[in-house]
Amino acid sequence: DQQVKQNSPSLSVQEGRISILNCDYTNSMFDYFLWYKKYPAEGPTFLISISSIKDKNEDGRFTVFLNKSAKHLSLHIVPSQPGDSAVYFCAASVWSGGSNYKLTFGKGTLLTVNP
Amino acid sequence: DGGITQSPKYLFRKEGQNVTLSCEQNLNHDAMYWYRQDPGQGLRLIYYSQIVNDFQKGDIAEGYSVSREKKESFPLTVTSAQKNPTAFYLCASSIELGEQFFGPGTRLTVL
Repeated sequence: DQQVKQNSPSLSVQEGRISILNCDYTNSMFDYFLWYKKYPAEGPTFLISISSIKDKNEDGRFTVFLNKSAKHLSLHIVPSQPGDSAVYFCAASVWSGGSNYKLTFGKGTLLTVNP
Repeated sequence: DGGITQSPKYLFRKEGQNVTLSCEQNLNHDAMYWYRQDPGQGLRLIYYSQIVNDFQKGDIAEGYSVSREKKESFPLTVTSAQKNPTAFYLCASSIELGEQFFGPGTRLTVL
């Protein structure tokens, strides 16, 4: 049973426009959410995160929105650039009370930004 | 220059052989993790370790083993019991609170 779902395997946008990547989750215990960007044959790199006490977090061109009632989060990239072309993974975690976060990942969305 | 190193980048093994993937970090992170990625799939957790000499199974631990004798090192052994070992393996580490930092990955191909 997939607890974190990214229902769009791919997304194509024009340079300069907004990219919106979506993520849904089923586990209501998740309280921390992250977005990672991954190029082929490389490890993912952290982009932005949000805790369940917030509904928005912004970092430069990247903004993450969290709708807890809908169990939905989205990543907005404005303006999109060709270098943003990559696979984007949504991840979620439950504070375990220990010293680590176990992350549950979605399957990813391939973003292509066309010049 | 802090980071996570995984070696080698590409690894080929014959079916039935055990193989050990290396993961080293100099970020002074307590927690370390191993994931595998298959085409069209997300990252699936194999094992994780919160502190030295302690580790827990993740979602797909069968056919794998790990050790954590040093804070900096978390090697993963892919045993002959793993039915589909060919995959891209990623190591990560984290501090108590915060995001996980990933290494560059090792692509294992079993022939």
